[in-house]
Amino acid sequence: DAKTTQPPSMDCAEGRAANLPCNHSTISGNEYVYWYRQIHSQGPQYIIHGLKNNETNEMASLIITEDRKSSTLILPHATLRDTAVYYCIVTAAGNKLTFGGGTRVLVKP
Amino acid sequence: ETGVTQSPTHLIKTRGQQVTLRCSSQSGHNTVSWYQQALGQGPQFIFQYYREEENGRGNFPPRFSGLQFPNYSSELNVNALELDDSALYLCASRQYRGREWDTEAFFGQGTRLTVV
Repeated sequence: DAKTTQPPSMDCAEGRAANLPCNHSTISGNEYVYWYRQIHSQGPQYIIHGLKNNETNEMASLIITEDRKSSTLILPHATLRDTAVYYCIVTAAGNKLTFGGGTRVLVKP
Repeated sequence: ETGVTQSPTHLIKTRGQQVTLRCSSQSGHNTVSWYQQALGQGPQFIFQYYREEENGRGNFPPRFSGLQFPNYSSELNVNALELDDSALYLCASRQYRGREWDTEAFFGQGTRLTVV
């Protein structure tokens, strides 16, 4: 599985967009970019995934660069409930999820 | 709510004892994975079961073992517990549809195991 690099922490103002970067320069052609988040003491929650194209769902948008070596998760209007650790994971479909340290996001009023 | 349920939610065991943790996968999901999450760290993959057979394992010793039942529920067994086994144990389920996997896995809320 390709390794990912994320900033350890970031703050975001409530109501503003949160942009979470992830570098995955060794990604392979069959590997997806997944984003999960983990709110304190709960199980990880699936957010979104993508292969090549940008993706959007009710929770977030995922922007993948053309060379696929990096991506950005966008939470369009952050709320206090979005405070969590966000994990960027790169792996082929069906493979194990390899979690790194993630980005600890604190949404402030 | 993901539909993945784990029991018990909390457990305290003594070093050297054995423990069994249980997981019911989301309806229709035939694949179950187990993860260990130590305090302050990301989850680490233990193993995965598909159709009652282990089909992937992380860097965990043989005293970590598992089972998957015909209804796709699963158990994680840990023998000879050590203090470092204290962690949140997470179960995740997904569906394999014959030629490809559903891409997202759904996690339960975990079992918090404390070894004293």
